Amino acid sequence: QVQLQESGPGLVKPSETLSLTCTVSGGSISSYYWSWIRQPPGKGLEWIGYIYYSGSTNYNPSLKSRVTISVDTSKNQFSLKLSSVTAADTAVYYCAAGHEALTAIDYWGQGTLVTVSS
Amino acid sequence: SYELTQPPSVSVSPGQTARITCSGDALPKQYAYWYQQKPGQAPVLVIYKDSERPSGIPERFSGSSSGTTVTLTISGVQAEDEADYYCQSADSSVVFGGGTKLTVL
Repeated sequence: QVQLQESGPGLVKPSETLSLTCTVSGGSISSYYWSWIRQPPGKGLEWIGYIYYSGSTNYNPSLKSRVTISVDTSKNQFSLKLSSVTAADTAVYYCAAGHEALTAIDYWGQGTLVTVSS
Repeated sequence: SYELTQPPSVSVSPGQTARITCSGDALPKQYAYWYQQKPGQAPVLVIYKDSERPSGIPERFSGSSSGTTVTLTISGVQAEDEADYYCQSADSSVVFGGGTKLTVL
């Protein structure tokens, strides 16, 4: 059973870069597509993007210019960087995993709230 | 960009059948997935590939597809089924519907 745990700052200043890391346990980093998904308070889910262990990525077109997802296979971790943040980027950020690209999200982390505020 | 449309809310009495729809132009060609999200919790996959049920999901949850609309059906709704439900599909990227709040009266 794959388990995912997000970590990173809970508060980020406007115009700065949001950085989060997801630590994977109970499964091989080479067996899944690793995603980031966010949910603004009281709103719906928004897919940010995914990465495969090989390094291939796919990003939400609406966020693509500001997003970088990377993977560190040696640490069983993958990471999210979102640049030039504004208050609209305030959300619960989930790391997640699926067996195949563009299909079901089978495993989810518990989520971490990131607030963008000065 | 590709969009999935869900009704904002559905209400049913306990024991009745709840149907939540999700519409999108690519649904005839792409599978749909359904997630249940309770307050303060991460989403849980309840239906995959339009109508398949993951292990551990009660049999009262079922899915179907017809043309550009997919439907999540919950038969014999229980109080514990009160939650937000999201459909998901993809074309070149993953897309979520706006979510439907299921209220059990």
